Amino acid sequence: GAVVSQHPSRVICKSGTSVKIECRSLDFQATTMFWYRQFPKQSLMLMATSNEGSKATYEQGVEKDKFLINHASLTLSTLTVTSAHPEDSSFYICSAWDREETQYFGPGTRLLVL
Amino acid sequence: SQQGEEDPQALSIQEGENATMNCSYKTSINNLQWYRQNSGRGLVHLILIRSNEREKHSGRLRVTLDTSKKSSSLLITASRAADTASYFCATDAGTSGSRLTFGEGTQLTVNP
Repeated sequence: GAVVSQHPSRVICKSGTSVKIECRSLDFQATTMFWYRQFPKQSLMLMATSNEGSKATYEQGVEKDKFLINHASLTLSTLTVTSAHPEDSSFYICSAWDREETQYFGPGTRLLVL
Repeated sequence: SQQGEEDPQALSIQEGENATMNCSYKTSINNLQWYRQNSGRGLVHLILIRSNEREKHSGRLRVTLDTSKKSSSLLITASRAADTASYFCATDAGTSGSRLTFGEGTQLTVNP
């Protein structure tokens, strides 16, 4: 299957700082990428849909000013958690859609805010 | 909100046994997909079944879909310790591959 990478794989930061997570589709162009958040022992919750060249679409309850998404190219989307707080600690997973039927998921980024 | 509900939440079996996991959903769908997640890792796509299909096989995996009951099952035959993982179903109601809604997942443990 297609390969999607995320960087960094884990990050620890102080409360109040901003953290940027990158999601790259390595062997196909993805006009649409998705960002999910997963808390321990829970399922994935869709945060936003990232479309290349346009504004992201956020799910209800997700603050767009806190979770900034940029999809500047067909292979890269970034999620920036601004002014992170301990409650933002979670596992963030991106996926890229191959324009057919399948989303391919990145390996995830574990964020710990102290 | 999560559309899918999966049962059981946790399943523990011995190597060689079959494992069956179920998923129910609430709204009409285009496709239903099953994913696997090892602890702390990303998701691996296992199999997709379209709304007009009733059964699909892939290796040791067998997926069924009953749209009248809005339910699907994933059967793993001859399980191995390496099958230990969380398994999630995901549905999409719009354009294929878009906006997936995940079930709560089943944690499968295969004991050697």
